[in-house]
Formats: sequence, structure tokens, C-alpha cells
Amino acid sequence: GAGVSQSPSNKVTEKGKDVELRCDPISGHTALYWYRQSLGQGLEFLIYFQGNSAPDKSGLPSDRFSAERTGGSVSTLTIQRTQQEDSAVYLCASSIVAGPSGNTIYFGEGSWLTVV
Amino acid sequence: AQKITQTQPGMFVQEKEAVTLDCTYDTSDPSYGLFWYKQPSSGEMIFLIYQGSYDQQNATEGRYSLNFQKARKSANLVISASQLGDSAMYFCAMREVSGGSYIPTFGRGTSLIVHP
Repeated sequence: GAGVSQSPSNKVTEKGKDVELRCDPISGHTALYWYRQSLGQGLEFLIYFQGNSAPDKSGLPSDRFSAERTGGSVSTLTIQRTQQEDSAVYLCASSIVAGPSGNTIYFGEGSWLTVV
Repeated sequence: AQKITQTQPGMFVQEKEAVTLDCTYDTSDPSYGLFWYKQPSSGEMIFLIYQGSYDQQNATEGRYSLNFQKARKSANLVISASQLGDSAMYFCAMREVSGGSYIPTFGRGTSLIVHP
């Protein structure tokens, strides 16, 4: 597609359930990022994939969070046993390569997660 | 320590006037990139402008310009001739090269309201 695509755009789930959020980056982009944005807050880094390298998981807040990227393209962020504090917008972004130059990072429209 | 600091939680400007949104950053890496993003109420993150640490001139993109003062570690966004559609959250971000990790760090954002 033309841009970064995320699904679902909105998800309401019950506390304790697992959720999966999907990100389809721009074709040809090797770097993929997941961020979380709580209401009225800035962006919190979660995880980063670059090509076939091991992902940087340093931002994942707990072991309930995991992510994978299949075939160097689509990524899925999984949250197990959701808690109310997981309610946020989950933003996915991609760039051509992760490098020092101005390789612009393009964001999807986000997945709004509400845990009730 | 905060790597990106945006000290203005909210700004107001009259339509057609210019406005400056402040951003200071902290890094010891000689090679880095600075970005500004706009986030309207719809939630998507829209790339506005990029400045590389080695760029000699300030970046400009249409009505947007970046006032880059390297010695002060300052990267303020200037919006000329404000429009009602400029009302949004604005985020400053930095991507460093050190350690091979190119994960952008975002500030907390500034809310801009343009009134007629």
C-alpha cells in the first residue's frame, strides 16, 4: 500500500484477554517501530525491527508484550492478559533503512486499544 | 535525563501570524537527526521537517522552517502564516547513531491552537 497500514483501528477488549495488533509497513521499508501513546502523553518506544537482525525489545514494558515480524514485512504486536493501563494508541512506523540520514519515519494511523 | 525537551505544553496563535515551537535536545553523539511531526486530533503522525546534525543550513518545507542552533542544542519549529488547520499536537524527535541504534526519541509535545 501507499502508507503504513494498521489494524484494527479500534479495539475494545475485556481485562485479561489477549489482543493482537497488526502493522503492514510501506513496501521496501526494512526498519519497523512500535510506539505506545497514552492519552495526552508523548510517544513511548516499545520495539524496533531492522531487516533480519534481532529486534530491539528494550522498550517493552513487561513480558506480557511481544512482537514478531514475519518475512521482514508484516508485524504483529501481542499483548497478553491485558490490563486497564494498557489502554493507549499503539503506533507503528517504518523507514527505508535505519540510518543517520533523513530517512523519514512514516507512521500508521494507530490502533486505539481500550481495556475495560 | 530527557533527551528531547518541549517546554511549551500549549501555545495559542492568531490565524496568519507566525509561531515558534521550542525543542531542545541532549546528545553526545556527533551524528544525529532531528524531526518534527504534527498530530491532529485524528491521531496520525504527519512528518513535517528534518534537520541533520551536519546540515549547514536550516531546513525549510513550505510554511515550516527549523531554526537549528547546534551549540545551544536547539531545534525550534517555526510555522509562518498560521492556518486554522495547523491546530494540532506537535512533536520533536531525535534519532542518534551511536551504538547502531536508530530509535527515535520523542518529546512530550506542544499543543498548538490557531484561532481566527
